Amino acid sequence: DVKVTQSSRYLVKRTGEKVFLECVQDMDHENMFWYRQDPGLGLRLIYFSYDVKMKEKGDIPEGYSVSREKKERFSLILESASTNQTSMYLCASSLFQGAPAGYGYTFGSGTRLTVV
Amino acid sequence: GQSLEQPSEVTAVEGAIVQINCTYQTSGFYGLSWYQQHDGGAPTFLSYNGLDGLEETGRFSSFLSRSDSYGYLLLQELQMKDSASYFCAVRRGSNYQLIWGAGTKLIIKP
Repeated sequence: DVKVTQSSRYLVKRTGEKVFLECVQDMDHENMFWYRQDPGLGLRLIYFSYDVKMKEKGDIPEGYSVSREKKERFSLILESASTNQTSMYLCASSLFQGAPAGYGYTFGSGTRLTVV
Repeated sequence: GQSLEQPSEVTAVEGAIVQINCTYQTSGFYGLSWYQQHDGGAPTFLSYNGLDGLEETGRFSSFLSRSDSYGYLLLQELQMKDSASYFCAVRRGSNYQLIWGAGTKLIIKP
């Protein structure tokens, strides 16, 4: 019954490392999103994609990039990890752009990344 | 700018009713959604209001007043398992991005 799968639940990386976070959905959704969640700040959008090979910046894209080579997979890349990127990262998917707005997002379980 | 405000924490007693408010300020409005997130878990979609009025789903109801830029989530017959954080979110535009509130932590006491 798993719909959105994130590759790692916990991850510890060193400052300066290149980090890949993987997300796979099996619902044939068009839209995929990467958020980070920090206490008191809610969910902040990093990048999103509404089609294969398409990507758009969210509110906090600095220090991140993304890749969507296949419809079901959306990867978040931290080019050079820094301690201020320590956070919970959540991947989500939703139906196509024109879908009725009542259809919600489906989230993965999250990856808690610690950069030391 | 665009923002949503909700209380950071609400406390209630098991079996009671609790209301979590959300006020929003957005350029354009395409509906208000509510999500539940248990500690360590993923947010899960609860409800959506596109028009004014009340939407009911079991013990949970959600209300919207577009003229007041205000909505609330109503939880009835509270159970301990309802202890979680609740987020309101507004659809930003036609591309279905969401703007999120900071979340309300609901604490339920026996």
